[in-house]
Amino acid sequence: GAGVSQSPRYKVAKRGQDVALRCDPISGHVSLFWYQQALGQGPEFLTYFQNEAQLDKSGLPSDRFFAERPEGSVSTLKIQRTQQEDSAVYLCASSVKSFGGGLYNEQFFGPGTRLTVL
Amino acid sequence: AQSVSQHNHHVILSEAASLELGCNYSYGGTVNLFWYVQYPGQHLQLLLKYFSGDPLVKGIKGFEAEFIKSKFSFNLRKPSVQWSDTAEYFCAVKAGRGSYIPTFGRGTSLIVHP
Repeated sequence: GAGVSQSPRYKVAKRGQDVALRCDPISGHVSLFWYQQALGQGPEFLTYFQNEAQLDKSGLPSDRFFAERPEGSVSTLKIQRTQQEDSAVYLCASSVKSFGGGLYNEQFFGPGTRLTVL
Repeated sequence: AQSVSQHNHHVILSEAASLELGCNYSYGGTVNLFWYVQYPGQHLQLLLKYFSGDPLVKGIKGFEAEFIKSKFSFNLRKPSVQWSDTAEYFCAVKAGRGSYIPTFGRGTSLIVHP
């Protein structure tokens, strides 16, 4: 079946502009993660959803970042008043189960959205 | 909080050479360990994982990794690399039971010359 898809693949924004990044997880996957990957770095956790519930948003760098998953499938990461330091690749990942008890649960990653803020 | 160090940022090898990529982590408790690979233009994908049991883990495409608890290490190895192994490799660690957030290293870029 189809994997995780993200759109747009590339986004150029002027400083101060709002952007919205979309993630379509694998159908039926309960868990959804957003990561930020700066140039030359590994992915860093932003937020985690279990179905429509945002259980952890501890990685969001500021209150300009907002994520939602209203129907427990598609998710949107919104960044308001973008700054140059927001330039990065934003990765989405989904997994079939919810997390807990140390059970292994592979995350499947999307291709990412490369955001460039000028 | 845990952290992950990948000491080799860029590695260049010729085909058939042996590969070892270093990964050290800092976390005192039970850990789950992963290596991910990202081929040019492709998604990040899982190469292998360690949760418990045999510390020598075998993954896809002939890769293996050894968990050495006393050294807080999880080095990735392959006896003979191929041109198609050219990719970015990321080590990740997740605190044990109940945790769902992996911490990634900054990655190692591997280029294999034919």
